[in-house]
Amino acid sequence: GQQLNQSPQSMFIQEGEDVSMNCTSSSIFNTWLWYKQEPGEGPVLLIALYKAGELTSNGRLTAQFGITRKDSFLNISASIPSDVGIYFCAGWDNFNKFYFGSGTKLNVKP
Amino acid sequence: EAEVAQSPRYKITEKSQAVAFWCDPISGHATLYWYRQILGQGPELLVQFQDESVVDDSQLPKDRFSAERLKGVDSTLKIQPAELGDSAMYLCASRRGTGGNGELFFGEGSRLTVL
Repeated sequence: GQQLNQSPQSMFIQEGEDVSMNCTSSSIFNTWLWYKQEPGEGPVLLIALYKAGELTSNGRLTAQFGITRKDSFLNISASIPSDVGIYFCAGWDNFNKFYFGSGTKLNVKP
Repeated sequence: EAEVAQSPRYKITEKSQAVAFWCDPISGHATLYWYRQILGQGPELLVQFQDESVVDDSQLPKDRFSAERLKGVDSTLKIQPAELGDSAMYLCASRRGTGGNGELFFGEGSRLTVL
């Protein structure tokens, strides 16, 4: 099946720093979704992207749907301790399926 | 805000016992998914329903797992008998339709530990 490559696997940053992570696929997707998951909880939807080139913000979070439709990026500006968690990307293909990346674990040092 | 409801949140069981998880999707969401998530990995699809019909259960270990959504609303996922390797988070998710531009919403999950 399709694989989503998410990087980096983990990040250790200082509070106040900006963060960037990305997701790439070997296939085209019609929708990209970004989630945050905290320990013991289900993933929470942060941002949904529907069109190539689309740039969408949600507070300090900004995500982009890559022009090739094979990648997506998530940026977090001015990180704070509560940003700690695992961030997952998900892609929706033409066949009614979602595919997930393996996650980027974010650690923020106060 | 409407949410996907799941229960139980936590379940500890011994191997060879039967386990059941319940999910109530967001009202009006026709598509329901069950995922399994191993610690440190992304969710993996077990079964997908469109209304009461199974759309995809190709990754469901059918010798021990079963899922139903009899009236096209809430759903149950069962494991019988449970094995040690079944320890994982079981996530239910729902989506309004089948076409594009649909957002996928997850419940809080059911954490299973098999001893």
